[in-house]
Amino acid sequence: RKEVEQDPGPFNVPEGATVAFNCTYSNSASQSFFWYRQDCRKEPKLLMSVYSSGNEDGRFTAQLNRASQYISLLIRDSKLSDSATYLCVVSASPRFNAGNNRKLIWGLGTSLAVNP
Amino acid sequence: EAQVTQNPRYLITVTGKKLTVTCSQNMNHEYMSWYRQDPGLGLRQIYYSMNVEVTDKGDVPEGYKVSRKEKRNFPLILESPSPNQTSLYFCASSSITNGGTGELFFGEGSRLTVL
Repeated sequence: RKEVEQDPGPFNVPEGATVAFNCTYSNSASQSFFWYRQDCRKEPKLLMSVYSSGNEDGRFTAQLNRASQYISLLIRDSKLSDSATYLCVVSASPRFNAGNNRKLIWGLGTSLAVNP
Repeated sequence: EAQVTQNPRYLITVTGKKLTVTCSQNMNHEYMSWYRQDPGLGLRQIYYSMNVEVTDKGDVPEGYKVSRKEKRNFPLILESPSPNQTSLYFCASSSITNGGTGELFFGEGSRLTVL
């Protein structure tokens, strides 16, 4: 079993749709979780961190389910500009400390295409 | 503007010809790292550095070297490139002061082809 697994998609949705991605992780000791966004052939950029209580940023909502070991990303009212690959990232370390690499485990990403 | 700058952005080279990919950040970040990204394999860490003169291997260090003589620079060196090092390379940096937020800031990527 991969350490971090995502449905690769592609998810093809019309503008205005709501779409949700899940990401499962295998290490129950994982402490921190992130969603990064990567546009085609460009660098990944942090979309949002995922907190235990769940968090929302505009049209984006992230949830963490520790019992089932998955995180989710919900995008409401999809825009054409949301088309990208969404990378799930998990770490067993809560934060960086001196000498701690804070190893990040990257999923392969879920591809989203929002169509007009 | 806060940024991570990599050069070159694109390079085609031949087997065995030493090359260096430079990386520079202007955010005074302690932590810097190199990743390679390949289809079906995702992002894999090559080397990382927690601070000046402190470097360590990541998951796929074979065939690569790094140095961290200054805080802002973290070059990636391929002493004798081989075709299996054809990949998209990303440099990234992050702050670790007070634990840091964990956000990695990436350069725009360097697409390397080794013939």
